[in-house]
Amino acid sequence: DAGVIQSPRHEVTEMGQEVTLRCKPISGHDYLFWYRQTMMRGLELLIYFNNNVPIDDSGMPEDRFSAKMPNASFSTLKIQPSEPRDSAVYFCASSLDRLNTEAFFGQGTRLTVV
Amino acid sequence: SQKIEQNSEALNIQEGKTATLTCNYTNYSPAYLQWYRQDPGRGPVFLLLIRENEKEKRKERLKVTFDTTLKQSLFHITASQPADSATYLCAPSRRALTFGSGTRLQVQP
Repeated sequence: DAGVIQSPRHEVTEMGQEVTLRCKPISGHDYLFWYRQTMMRGLELLIYFNNNVPIDDSGMPEDRFSAKMPNASFSTLKIQPSEPRDSAVYFCASSLDRLNTEAFFGQGTRLTVV
Repeated sequence: SQKIEQNSEALNIQEGKTATLTCNYTNYSPAYLQWYRQDPGRGPVFLLLIRENEKEKRKERLKVTFDTTLKQSLFHITASQPADSATYLCAPSRRALTFGSGTRLQVQP
């Protein structure tokens, strides 16, 4: 397996635009996590899915953020409208179990909102 | 609210010495605690997992302890090498994998 695949690797967009980040988890993994990493706040959990169903979205900062997992091999994180303070590295991770096994992270998407 | 603390200051040590990193947590009792390594520009990579009923776990040059009374985990790298230089993240978790802010380790040759 190629691991967790995220796209794009880098995204630069103007304030107010819609941004969509994509993730393909490792096949067979039941859990998918979205994280955001900044210098100030570290690695924050935004939302996680179990078998394509959102379980906990309490980390999603605002209604401007939404995440979907239409099938076991694809998830999106959307920001609409984007703001400069959304600039960060966004990671997707997948695992077989919620806590009892290792999580595999993608390479991340570096988002810059100008 | 639950809080995870890792030393934000970088840890600088000489090659061959043992590096010890600390992870403290408050206001909750994690069932599992994981440690990850993160290199610049890359995603975190899993190193070790320890359960709340385990005191210590080892893997090659790595050792993790988990003290549920002190609410603390220590992460040791013995015979450290320059290639061990990275940021190390702890994740004491109960509901979902939640991370501390990490400690940067720099091993000098």
